[in-house]
Amino acid sequence: DSGVTQTPKHLITATGQRVTLRCSPRSGDLSVYWYQQSLDQGLQFLIQYYNGEERAKGNILERFSAQQFPDLHSELNLSSLELGDSALYFCASSVEGRGADTQYFGPGTRLTVL
Amino acid sequence: AQSVAQPEDQVNVAEGNPLTVKCTYSVSGNPYLFWYVQYPNRGLQFLLKYITGDNLVKGSYGFEAEFNKSQTSFHLKKPSALVSDSALYFCAVSLYGGSQGNLIFGKGTKLSVKP
Repeated sequence: DSGVTQTPKHLITATGQRVTLRCSPRSGDLSVYWYQQSLDQGLQFLIQYYNGEERAKGNILERFSAQQFPDLHSELNLSSLELGDSALYFCASSVEGRGADTQYFGPGTRLTVL
Repeated sequence: AQSVAQPEDQVNVAEGNPLTVKCTYSVSGNPYLFWYVQYPNRGLQFLLKYITGDNLVKGSYGFEAEFNKSQTSFHLKKPSALVSDSALYFCAVSLYGGSQGNLIFGKGTKLSVKP
């Protein structure tokens, strides 16, 4: 158990809908990352937050947004969902959010868009 | 652009034999290098990382990796494979000295250890 929690575990929804994925980092970690894992794209970095502020942005679609709250939990919002958004979404956390940090991953949320 | 290559989609090893999972990287600058393992329907588990210093890094579950700057490689090794090592292995890189910590992952290598 990494100490990173993600909810829900599974999510099934329809095209055009909006969903919210939630992540709680390990105790003491200030930085949260979101990654998407799909068969065709592999593991891709979406976005990073550090202590409530956006720190880095990767291949995140404009339909997707995220935030980190004062209690350091984070939410990833996916809107106008398309079939191609079906994937496993991972949250990870680290202490300072720097390159040398070890990132600890949550169990993931499996999103299925029908 | 930074990239990580894992040239083998799958590696097959007999239990008790040594295993190697290959990784090469391309970055503009000094890298931090990581190995993660993913079991079916599970998240990624951290195995080991290279930051600086000794090129041979020891990690969890008896795994080790050797950083080779001239060959830009960071191959994962284990002297004696176990059936329970069968999983998907990912190599990843982040940039030295940056304030951002996002990881660039390879495509993954499926390790199959047969009894």
